[in-house]
Order: sequence, then structure tokens, then C-alpha cells
Amino acid sequence: GDSVTQMEGPVTLSEEAFLTINCTYTATGYPSLFWYVQYPGEGLQLLLKATKADDKGSNKGFEATYRKETTSFHLEKGSVQVSDSAVYFCALSTGNQFYFGTGTSLTVIP
Amino acid sequence: ETGVTQTPRHLVMGMTNKKSLKCEQHLGHNAMYWYKQSAKKPLELMFVYNFKEQTENNSVPSRFSPECPNSSHLFLHLHTLQPEDSALYLCASSQDQTRGDTQYFGPGTRLTVL
Repeated sequence: GDSVTQMEGPVTLSEEAFLTINCTYTATGYPSLFWYVQYPGEGLQLLLKATKADDKGSNKGFEATYRKETTSFHLEKGSVQVSDSAVYFCALSTGNQFYFGTGTSLTVIP
Repeated sequence: ETGVTQTPRHLVMGMTNKKSLKCEQHLGHNAMYWYKQSAKKPLELMFVYNFKEQTENNSVPSRFSPECPNSSHLFLHLHTLQPEDSALYLCASSQDQTRGDTQYFGPGTRLTVL
């Protein structure tokens, strides 16, 4: 069945470090791919998305490219800030269903 | 963010109580969802409503009973819960259930079952 696998956390980085959170997916059709972020005590917020192969989603300095050949949608940011500390979820949608990864906790220290 | 609101934010209940969670979306969406978020587990989709009709029920125990009176409101009625039902319950909405639609989430209700 369809599924999403993302790297285990937690991840701890120093401020201004480069961030990569890996996400791979399995899908029978042509899903849309998403990254959501969850700050403490809050629900999930859309960070970025891509709806077809080779699309790049970007927002707030974060980027991810929909790679059909490697079935991946890795999240990157060139210089993280303390305010980026949160849990990040990769997800895919086939329309009828949304599948989420288990989440990767990121802590950025000053 | 006030697009999707949930009440209450926190709820403590005994196993014999009956309570309800409420979700309201102000985005004009047609689809609404209930998810369960437990520690170290993927989000579990519980129920989906589209145009007030239930389209998904992912083998959820009958002690959870959803109600969708209109496209803006979604309830989750709880009765005779178990301690393992303690979790964060998230409501979400989307324009429809098409592939590229974004789901917008509420802040969640933190439920503790004693």
C-alpha cells in the first residue's frame, strides 16, 4: 500500500547549520507530496507541497523537490534558526487518503 | 490561525464518562477529518466526511462516534473510553478530497482518559 518513510529523529543542530530531513514514499499512482510542521502545543501547519514530478515546493527558506525517480521528497534549509525547532512531517495524498510519516523532531540550539 | 478551531483544548475524563469534541472550520471547505496522534506513531486517520457524508471509517472502535451536521462542523462523541485512547485528537479540513488539496489542521484536543 501507499506509505511514507522519514528519517528518525531527534535531530539537533546549531543555529545557521544546514538541515536535511529525508523522506521517501511508496505510491501506486501519482501522489501529491507535503511537508507539515508542528510547533509545541499546536496542530500541523502546511510548510510546502509539490503536486507533480520535478516540482519544487518552498516556503520560509525551506525547500523540497518531488523526485519520482528516487521516490523522494527531502526537506532542506540552508541556515536553520532557533525558531525552526519543531516536529516535521512528510505526507502524501492520493485524494482519498492522506499518509503521514512518523515525524522528525528538530531542535536548534543557539 | 483561526481557520480550524477545536474545543475543548484539553479534556480529562473517566472511563465511564461521555464527552464530545467539537471542530469548526471557517474556510468554506467540503471535507473534514478526525485524526488521532499518539506519541511515536504516525497520525492515524479515523474518519472522513465529504459534503456531510462519511467516506472513510478506518476500523475505529464504536466507542468513538462521529457526527457531521453540516460542512462546517464536526463532532467526535466519546463514551466508555480506555486509557490507551489518551492522545491528541486533531481535526482537519480540505477543499475537497482531490489529490492536491491541502489539509488544514486545528490545534487539537489533548485527551486524557483515567
